[in-house]
Amino acid sequence: AAGVIQSPRHLIKEKRETATLKCYPIPRHDTVYWYQQGPGQDPQFLISFYEKMQSDKGSIPDRFSAQQFSDYHSELNMSSLELGDSALYFCASSFAGGLRYFGPGTRLTVT
Amino acid sequence: SQQGEEDPQALSIQEGENATMNCSYKTSINNLQWYRQNSGRGLVHLILIRSNEREKHSGRLRVTLDTSKKSSSLLITASRAADTASYFCATDDRGNQGGKLIFGQGTELSVKP
Repeated sequence: AAGVIQSPRHLIKEKRETATLKCYPIPRHDTVYWYQQGPGQDPQFLISFYEKMQSDKGSIPDRFSAQQFSDYHSELNMSSLELGDSALYFCASSFAGGLRYFGPGTRLTVT
Repeated sequence: SQQGEEDPQALSIQEGENATMNCSYKTSINNLQWYRQNSGRGLVHLILIRSNEREKHSGRLRVTLDTSKKSSSLLITASRAADTASYFCATDDRGNQGGKLIFGQGTELSVKP
């Protein structure tokens, strides 16, 4: 069965650079969620989209923005990267608020 | 953590033993879910228990929920080395579109062969 796809899987950036993470939800899923997981930390909710509209917002820094496109894929844009942004970034998708299926994550390293 | 606290934070057992992990939460919930995460990998959904359920089983997993105490436990019976992973509880307080999961800090389980 198709799963949530995230790209890239690994990304290395320098401080003050920008990064774009992509998430392709399971087909027919209408909701996408983004989470950030720092080393040894629990996943923290960043933002979610339902039917291409932002539906909930968590601890997402102002330097980050995200959107969901007409094909339901989502992108998380991160600017002015800081060392503390180094983390695993997970995307999850669901249909009608049901079970969330998580992608494999993108490991971002900021040097 | 914004919501759940997990206990213990780390657990080391021998293969064949049972492992019990606890989770507490603060707000009202629609359901509580348990996830597993192998080191640096994605989160895998294990089991969901609704707020009107008290106990649920799935294979070697047994989950209990006490809404009066705002706590849940995950029991893994007859553990295997392959069960070594981090286990997180997550609460869903809305269950509608866009509702976010709030994760606990996780328990790192090590099962020794």
